[in-house]
Amino acid sequence: QSALTQPPSASGSPGQSVTISCTGTSSDVGGYDYVSWYQQHPGKAPKLMLYDVRKRPSGVPDRFSGSKSGNTASLTVSGLQAEDEADYYCSSHAGSKNFVLFGGGTKLTVL
Amino acid sequence: EVQLVESGGGLVQPGGSLRLSCTASGLTFTKYSMHWVRQAPGKGLEWVSYISDSTNYIYYADSVKGRFTISRDNAKNSLYLQMISLRDEDTAVYYCATSGGHYSADNWGQGTLVTVSS
Repeated sequence: QSALTQPPSASGSPGQSVTISCTGTSSDVGGYDYVSWYQQHPGKAPKLMLYDVRKRPSGVPDRFSGSKSGNTASLTVSGLQAEDEADYYCSSHAGSKNFVLFGGGTKLTVL
Repeated sequence: EVQLVESGGGLVQPGGSLRLSCTASGLTFTKYSMHWVRQAPGKGLEWVSYISDSTNYIYYADSVKGRFTISRDNAKNSLYLQMISLRDEDTAVYYCATSGGHYSADNWGQGTLVTVSS
């Protein structure tokens, strides 16, 4: 069982928006604005898409955005494109006890 | 361009040991804290360990504490993961990654597969 909870799947049609949630506790997601999101295509290494809840690394399209409310963080992908189909993982700093926790991952399907 | 290359994976029997390496290039390695993250076949990502740039701070997941040791050699631009008392459930692709200021895993290697099986 993963420490952060994500829905196992999400889907949307090209051009639509989809939001993926990541729920933790006040000891991790709710306690720090240190949530990251990763994209992983089959057989590839993960790629950082967002960090510190909503910051985008250089090269990540602004179609990817992040937010947080309480113990739940969210990744929104707007203007869905075929290449967005991938697995998405959230992670959060969790203090010195657990340090970093990952979510179980969400498989995003572009219909 | 930042490049991380893991090596040292392979097949090992339960109870055995293995040492993974991660060689970094395209960055000032001494300025970066580092993570090890693993992914069991068909499963999600699991954070394994973290070491700060100066080695002052080291953390482990409970699942590997006491069995895995993270270290680095800044002179060789290298990160290591010494693994002992390996179990079937340690079977995974192991990735090294640079750490961002707030513990994000920013740049990833291609991973090295560790298979624990008799």
